[in-house]
Amino acid sequence: QVQLQESGPGLVKPSQTLSLTCTVSGGSISSGGFYWSWIRQPAGKGLEWIGRIYTSVTTNYNPSLKSRVTISTDTSKNQFSLRLSSVTAADTAVYYCAREIRYGASRMDVWGQGTTVTVSS
Amino acid sequence: QSVLTQPPSASGTPGQRVTISCSGSSSNIGTNTVNWYQQVPGTAPKLLIYTNSQRPSGVPDRFSVSKSGTSASLAISGLQSEDEADYYCAAWDDSLNGWVFGGGTKLTVL
Repeated sequence: QVQLQESGPGLVKPSQTLSLTCTVSGGSISSGGFYWSWIRQPAGKGLEWIGRIYTSVTTNYNPSLKSRVTISTDTSKNQFSLRLSSVTAADTAVYYCAREIRYGASRMDVWGQGTTVTVSS
Repeated sequence: QSVLTQPPSASGTPGQRVTISCSGSSSNIGTNTVNWYQQVPGTAPKLLIYTNSQRPSGVPDRFSVSKSGTSASLAISGLQSEDEADYYCAAWDDSLNGWVFGGGTKLTVL
């Protein structure tokens, strides 16, 4: 059974770059048929899709974040990563990684437990 | 402001049937399938139901969905205390070229 686990600093200073990694176990990130996504949720608020990656080169990003976001993969470690630059307090949130099924009815069927990132000096 | 619109709250008593609406536009719900996620506070969202009432293993058939035009609904029949959670709708948006979510509906079982 595929499992996802987020990791990274819980505290980031304003204007710096937030970097998170999602480690995939129980399946290969290189296998076809899946997108690998990032979603975030500010405290007490709803879900916001950040972006996704497929085959290490194909990416889609939320237009509102596109200028600051980079998602990449490390197939040797079976991981994918998120970098969000020039962060502000508005980027404080729980960040989730998720697997999205590409074929048929697209859906995010496996989620990590989430990691809290606070932007503060 | 979420692209998809959901009521912020809903409630019902055990055994009742409750519905949660999700309103979008022609570029998302009007064109693509809708997924629903359940989130118990403090935990990660969980895929609840997708497309034409397709349910992942373990999700009871008390949950069903419908769609008409640019709106969708989640129905929960035989409401149980364990159904108390936040529910989110989601759809791919062809104009934004990305996933959009509703703002979430907090379901309270009275």
